[in-house]
Amino acid sequence: DTGVSQDPRHKITKRGQNVTFRCDPISEHNRLYWYRQTLGQGPEFLTYFQNEAQLEKSRLLSDRFSAERPKGSFSTLEIQRTEQGDSAMYLCASSPGFMINTEAFFGQGTRLTVV
Amino acid sequence: QKEVEQNSGPLSVPEGAIASLNCTYSDRGSQSFFWYRQYSGKSPELIMSIYSNGDKEDGRFTAQLNKASQYVSLLIRDSQPSDSATYLCAVPPRSSNTGKLIFGQGTTLQVKP
Repeated sequence: DTGVSQDPRHKITKRGQNVTFRCDPISEHNRLYWYRQTLGQGPEFLTYFQNEAQLEKSRLLSDRFSAERPKGSFSTLEIQRTEQGDSAMYLCASSPGFMINTEAFFGQGTRLTVV
Repeated sequence: QKEVEQNSGPLSVPEGAIASLNCTYSDRGSQSFFWYRQYSGKSPELIMSIYSNGDKEDGRFTAQLNKASQYVSLLIRDSQPSDSATYLCAVPPRSSNTGKLIFGQGTTLQVKP
């Protein structure tokens, strides 16, 4: 296990379709984060999991977005009824849970294009 | 005022020069500060973390923190063309105990041969 893995790397979908992304964190990391990044901006926090519990969600996360982390391992992010404004890079990050402010490590991201 | 602010650049320096990247933050109680490097089309890669006032050096990189001025900087000595990337400053808000990061918009660095 060499790092955070995300799948797929790229996704093109038609407006109105549903999409699901997967993130496999570093195996010993119990903290998992989803971020969204648009061109020319820094990543924006979407949601946070401590093991299997989703403990924080950003106001950016509309009701079309849902995230899960069953069994505290991999996580999925689903976007329903995609809109063109959802086009972005979706980044997953993980960190060990023994300290609050430890470094987070990012996966390669899933680039979503809604046409 | 944005929570974390960076000049978007681009900052252009000649090869071999020192590149100085700056970041200011609004949460006076912030305790941890991170610098990520992001190549075009790639994900952010952690390069430095700093928790105490003063300087922290790692190879060609030096992070500087001044909590009184709410200012953190990254110096890159002997800049190389391979350092050309966007540098993101990230700060966990004191109000959250989740470790989530608030990022600046990033500064694009161009190192010219």
